Amino acid sequence: AQKITQTQPGMFVQEKEAVTLDCTYDTSDQSYGLFWYKQPSSGEMIFLIYQGSYDEQNATEGRYSLNFQKARKSANLVISASQLGDSAMYFCAMGGKRSQGNLIFGKGTKLSVKP
Amino acid sequence: EAGVAQSPRYKIIEKRQSVAFWCNPISGHATLYWYQQILGQGPKLLIQFQNNGVVDDSQLPKDRFSAERLKGVDSTLKIQPAKLEDSAVYLCASSVDRVGTEAFFGQGTRLTVV
Repeated sequence: AQKITQTQPGMFVQEKEAVTLDCTYDTSDQSYGLFWYKQPSSGEMIFLIYQGSYDEQNATEGRYSLNFQKARKSANLVISASQLGDSAMYFCAMGGKRSQGNLIFGKGTKLSVKP
Repeated sequence: EAGVAQSPRYKIIEKRQSVAFWCNPISGHATLYWYQQILGQGPKLLIQFQNNGVVDDSQLPKDRFSAERLKGVDSTLKIQPAKLEDSAVYLCASSVDRVGTEAFFGQGTRLTVV
């Protein structure tokens, strides 16, 4: 069965510093996708970044990058130059068994950015 | 581009009552999902539609939950009768379901069962 594990319930980071949010996954599938979503207190899920299992390069989207280590089954999110608006819940998710949107989510990490 | 629309935003009902949530996906998105997010947890998929057919409803509690997507566009999720443990945010999402593309989520409906 597929599983996503996020071991950091909460993280603090100083404004303008970088932070890494951990995510490990378990799957027996060869083809899968890994996603990170941000959920502010308003409740909507905002897509941040995607990594395909066959992608050789780590994904980057602006200040977000995904540190993908396939052998270790980890897909950590790195946020550079943190901003106050980055304070939110962050969810790692895996899709692909049935479709890209049929997602297994982790429990999330609450990131708080300090001024 | 208009996003995924959901209504209502909030709903409070008593246990054993029924409730319905509505979702309008992004235009052109063939795939629609309903997720349940209990406080402090990640979302859990309840049901996935491809056009107006059900692709995955393995985690839908079918004794009390039902969902339909008439004409392959709007969708309705119903709970009857509601239990206290159904208190959660119900998120609707849609996608074009191509490799490398993400699902887009609505703002959700926060249900409180008292």
